Amino acid sequence: EAQVTQNPRYLITVTGKKLTVTCSQNMNHEYMSWYRQDPGLGLRQIYYSMNVEVTDKGDVPEGYKVSRKEKRNFPLILESPSPNQTSLYFCASSRHQGRLGEKLFFGSGTQLSVL
Amino acid sequence: AQKITQTQPGMFVQEKEAVTLDCTYDTSDQSYGLFWYKQPSSGEMIFLIYQGSYDEQNATEGRYSLNFQKARKSANLVISASQLGDSAMYFCAMREGGGGSYIPTFGRGTSLIVHP
Repeated sequence: EAQVTQNPRYLITVTGKKLTVTCSQNMNHEYMSWYRQDPGLGLRQIYYSMNVEVTDKGDVPEGYKVSRKEKRNFPLILESPSPNQTSLYFCASSRHQGRLGEKLFFGSGTQLSVL
Repeated sequence: AQKITQTQPGMFVQEKEAVTLDCTYDTSDQSYGLFWYKQPSSGEMIFLIYQGSYDEQNATEGRYSLNFQKARKSANLVISASQLGDSAMYFCAMREGGGGSYIPTFGRGTSLIVHP
């Protein structure tokens, strides 16, 4: 089944404790991205990647890191989480970044709480 | 400035009635694509419908149609014969070609509640 697998689904952590949210897609998609969703603010892009070893900042990259060493995986790393990073996070992918009509496939989301 | 504007934070509709969710966009590109996604209370994001800037016909997918008015830069989602299962958050999104590098941007969403 074609899917974007994102783990964990829920995560509670404390300020400063490094964490990684994993994202993997099995559709051979070139484009992958991370979003955070906050009430009243919609989805804001954190980082995106157009292909292996190619990543770029989105609208809200501060406090986050990503890597794209393999085409299928695009982990989101919070080196020193803070309470303002409490949010719902989505990983998404699509094929052929250079085509307008490519819809995004989303993971199931990670609800992160930083205490 | 926001590229995608959804002015209705919340909407209510009676079951079996039609409802229109507004979306306006801002771009200087001639080539762009417009999308609507649904997010039910379970949280997943579901693709609903797509409209390309050069498409002459309004897109339709079952009970969903996209009222595309290019000159007004609007791409409203019309849901006909609303069902209780349509209660969800709805997001409008855009992909711009050329200068936008095809990076998707999203609006803030509209929460739709369907009353029985």
